[in-house]
Amino acid sequence: NAGVMQNPRHLVRRRGQEARLRCSPMKGHSHVYWYRQLPEEGLKFMVYLQKENIIDESGMPKERFSAEFPKEGPSILRIQQVVRGDSAAYFCASSPQGSTNEKLFFGSGTQLSVL
Amino acid sequence: SQQGEEDPQALSIQEGENATMNCSYKTSINNLQWYRQNSGRGLVHLILIRSNEREKHSGRLRVTLDTSKKSSSLLITASRAADTASYFCATDEPSNYQLIWGAGTKLIIKP
Repeated sequence: NAGVMQNPRHLVRRRGQEARLRCSPMKGHSHVYWYRQLPEEGLKFMVYLQKENIIDESGMPKERFSAEFPKEGPSILRIQQVVRGDSAAYFCASSPQGSTNEKLFFGSGTQLSVL
Repeated sequence: SQQGEEDPQALSIQEGENATMNCSYKTSINNLQWYRQNSGRGLVHLILIRSNEREKHSGRLRVTLDTSKKSSSLLITASRAADTASYFCATDEPSNYQLIWGAGTKLIIKP
């Protein structure tokens, strides 16, 4: 029973390129959350998705960032025209019902480095 | 906005000692969760405590919640080297889908 799978584990991009981060939730989970973490800091909420729907994207910058969770396939966090400030660890978490009364299951993260 | 804030920011103790970390928050909550993060890895859920609970145990972990003081503590007894990690508290924000995270306490267990 695989946990939350994120890939790639490490991603290096030059300024101006696009970054695509993938997240496959745990089997049976239809709720996905994306977080960003800078070194020595806590998690910053970015976006919450259900299958084919964005429920809350209040933590995601309105420009250059987008997220999707299609009916089939993984959730994708897309960052266009990356800048150095986008360098961070991006974590995906999933839950079965999308309630804040339940625990989240996290992937191992994607470390994005922008040169 | 930052809801949970952990204290201390860093804690270094000898193996076998007990470690206590605190979390304070600002608004009313339905529940509070504690997670552990090993270096370079994702977070792992430890305990969820509801607002009507005062104390909860899981193995060597003991969590308390004081809603009047808007604070929680995580106690790890008989610490081991493998407990070295960062520990985060997360609170739910009523009428919101988000969990709000603190900056974490970095715990180092010296052998």
